[in-house]
Amino acid sequence: EDKVVQSPLSLVVHEGDTVTLNCSYEVTNFRSLLWYKQEKKAPTFLFMLTSSGIEKKSGRLSSILDKKELFSILNITATQTGDSAVYLCAVIAGGTSYGKLTFGQGTILTVHP
Amino acid sequence: GAVVSQHPSWVICKSGTSVKIECRSLDFQATTMFWYRQFPKQSLMLMATSNEGSKATYEQGVEKDKFLINHASLTLSTLTVTSAHPEDSSFYICSARGHGAVVGETQYFGPGTRLLVL
Repeated sequence: EDKVVQSPLSLVVHEGDTVTLNCSYEVTNFRSLLWYKQEKKAPTFLFMLTSSGIEKKSGRLSSILDKKELFSILNITATQTGDSAVYLCAVIAGGTSYGKLTFGQGTILTVHP
Repeated sequence: GAVVSQHPSWVICKSGTSVKIECRSLDFQATTMFWYRQFPKQSLMLMATSNEGSKATYEQGVEKDKFLINHASLTLSTLTVTSAHPEDSSFYICSARGHGAVVGETQYFGPGTRLLVL
């Protein structure tokens, strides 16, 4: 059974801090790993990672994938209160042609002013 | 960018009634749509995968007679919760994968539908 595990489950920091969120996975026939940010509604897409060692960046957020060690990290630098959200990691895997996502439990990030 | 809408965004209904939720891809054709359920403080759990013109594939533990899925066109999938009970109260989210998208490409999520069954 495909498994995605995120850590920590919850994180509380102050504005300006840098945070690192972790995602490890055990899946059959890995295709891609995705990071999403979820506030009150449905998840919004952040990054999709397919190859090892290539950092993806968007503003203060960056992410990298290690396919040998089967994990990914999401970094947020100079955090702001608006970064408070649940960050979800998901993997597309398996032999079907449908590309279903398996989600981790999520990391709840709270950024205090 | 790809936009997915859901309707309604909120439903409150009495126990025993059926509720239909629509998921539409607004600016692209979605060969495959996915339905998820999310309980408070939990992650998204895939319920079923819906392919246009064919029967949905349900995940283990999801009752297909209770959660009816129809994907009649390349832009519309519906989820009907039949004879809803309070334990069906949840946040239901759909996502869509574009026509011609290869496996591994991202999905686009709708805004979700909150269902409360009294």
